[in-house]
Amino acid sequence: SQQGEEDPQALSIQEGENATMNCSYKTSINNLQWYRQNSGRGLVHLILIRSNEREKHSGRLRVTLDTSKKSSSLLITASRAADTASYFCATWAGGGSYIPTFGRGTSLIVHP
Amino acid sequence: KAGVTQTPRYLIKTRGQQVTLSCSPISGHRSVSWYQQTPGQGLQFLFEYFSETQRNKGNFPGRFSGRQFSNSRSEMNVSTLELGDSALYLCASSLGRDREKLFFGSGTQLSVL
Repeated sequence: SQQGEEDPQALSIQEGENATMNCSYKTSINNLQWYRQNSGRGLVHLILIRSNEREKHSGRLRVTLDTSKKSSSLLITASRAADTASYFCATWAGGGSYIPTFGRGTSLIVHP
Repeated sequence: KAGVTQTPRYLIKTRGQQVTLSCSPISGHRSVSWYQQTPGQGLQFLFEYFSETQRNKGNFPGRFSGRQFSNSRSEMNVSTLELGDSALYLCASSLGRDREKLFFGSGTQLSVL
């Protein structure tokens, strides 16, 4: 099964609202990364949080990491229609792994 | 700096044919990895090349192969295409260090009829 699993699978909100999506993983990690994908396009890196960090901010993005629960959350504040996309978390198994595992993603729709 | 370039953008093939996809990484990046994305299986790792050598391989049949050239450009080949190979194929480049940020191309949408 996937190392990272996002929740919810789909999220529909109005512009201006906050969007929160979660990611759970199974094994210990070195870092966890969030990516965004617009329909049918490539993924764009959003933010990386290391295992010794608990929270990280980048513009309207806030990521938290709870290694005891093996979970992370991505919060997008004051959502815009342009934030409509799928969001994926990516993790790497421990010990020199160059192979990332992506979850199935959360599909976010922001209505104008 | 130019981003990751994948060609072609769209491809239609029939069962049994073979296909070659191309990926040009960001200048200076020595690692290129390939992924298959389908609605049913999500984003799955195919293989990764670093300095012309396959460094990691995912769980795909031998019909999927790749190579990397001295200029870090990479090609992926799928032989004897099956209907289930229809997918968006993405490549990503990076400097080649472990667990680092990946830069993705826009992908090649392959349809097998």
